[in-house]
Amino acid sequence: EAGVTQSPTHLIKTRGQQATLRCSPISGHTSVYWYQQALGLGLQFLLWYDEGEERNRGNFPPRFSGRQFPNYSSELNVNALELEDSALYLCASSFSAPPEDQPQHFGDGTRLSIL
Amino acid sequence: GNSVTQMEGPVTLSEEAFLTINCTYTATGYPSLFWYVQYPGEGLQLLLKATKADDKGSNKGFEATYRKETTSFHLEKGSVQVSDSAVYFCALSKNTGNQFYFGTGTSLTVIP
Repeated sequence: EAGVTQSPTHLIKTRGQQATLRCSPISGHTSVYWYQQALGLGLQFLLWYDEGEERNRGNFPPRFSGRQFPNYSSELNVNALELEDSALYLCASSFSAPPEDQPQHFGDGTRLSIL
Repeated sequence: GNSVTQMEGPVTLSEEAFLTINCTYTATGYPSLFWYVQYPGEGLQLLLKATKADDKGSNKGFEATYRKETTSFHLEKGSVQVSDSAVYFCALSKNTGNQFYFGTGTSLTVIP
């Protein structure tokens, strides 16, 4: 069974540019989650999509947005990039919630570097 | 609010040593608790979980017991191996938007 796949592996941008990160969930999973793993800050929840709808978002500004497609893959878009956006962005997928103990399966992440 | 606090690393142990990584949580109600592991160059993987008080999660020789009285979910392993070198994340999940709350991670290095 293929796991969660993310692309690209690495992405280098400059301040003010826009970045698009992509995620394909495990087959059968309808929920997709995005996390930011910044140095020293641990993992922070960004967005949750389920059945094509945004269900919840973390404490991030509106320039972080995304969408989920009919095939349940997802995009994360970051506009007006800032230096502090440099981080590893992880995507995870699971079967549709609830139950609350549905474990999430993570991709290997996209490393976004802002110069 | 909901949060997870885990011991800071890095932790360096010799092979076959006993491992404890502390994790405490703050949450209302009854969250589910998880340990995730991130091996070098790889994404996060679920290591073990517990969904109610006194449950013990176990996998690959690792164990953690859900202690509601102390709001803790400490990770233990009796004899670590070099292959256990990784970053370990404690997390909780509440059925309020299906949001996970992660600790900052503890880096473990096991030396031969």
